[in-house]
Amino acid sequence: QQQVKQSPQSLIVQKGGISIINCAYENTAFDYFPWYQQFPGKGPALLIAIRPDVSEKKEGRFTISFNKSAKQFSLHIMDSQPGDSATYFCAALTQGGSEKLVFGKGTKLTVNP
Amino acid sequence: EAGVTQSPTHLIKTRGQQATLRCSPISGHTSVYWYQQALGLGLQFLLWYDEGEERNRGNFPPRFSGRQFPNYSSELNVNALELEDSALYLCASSYRDTNTEAFFGQGTRLTVV
Repeated sequence: QQQVKQSPQSLIVQKGGISIINCAYENTAFDYFPWYQQFPGKGPALLIAIRPDVSEKKEGRFTISFNKSAKQFSLHIMDSQPGDSATYFCAALTQGGSEKLVFGKGTKLTVNP
Repeated sequence: EAGVTQSPTHLIKTRGQQATLRCSPISGHTSVYWYQQALGLGLQFLLWYDEGEERNRGNFPPRFSGRQFPNYSSELNVNALELEDSALYLCASSYRDTNTEAFFGQGTRLTVV
């Protein structure tokens, strides 16, 4: 059973455009939602994270939007750059519970110059 | 500060053999997590160790096992290898009480032939 559904599977954006990746979760006990960025041959790196008590968090060009009632959250990459080309994973976690990160299946982002 | 290190980088085994993968966490981190990243399946949680004990395991058969040593490094063992075990195995570490900040190693690419 996949607890975090991520879409789209792949995304192609022109340089300067906005990249949007969406995730939906089922378990209402999740209380921490990170995004990871993975380049080929590397392990995932924590990019940005949000907790359900806020609806938006911004760090530089990266913004997470969170909709608790819809059980959805999304990553927006503003002014996308070729260097942003990577695979992005959303994840969810219940702190104090089993404490395992549950990941979406990933989105391969390609930013064309 | 050194990050999470995994060895070996690549491992080729024959079906039916055993594979041993190793992980050294970031200094000061007591929790170690193992994930399997198979093509098209995202990151699947395998095992979580903390303070030398197994705290949780994912939906994998018993031939996937591991342990954590007194210095918090960890070992993942996969017995009776099957072709479908071919994947990138990722290790992550974190402080016990702030496991949200999990840092990943670069992984071990296991190929079963």
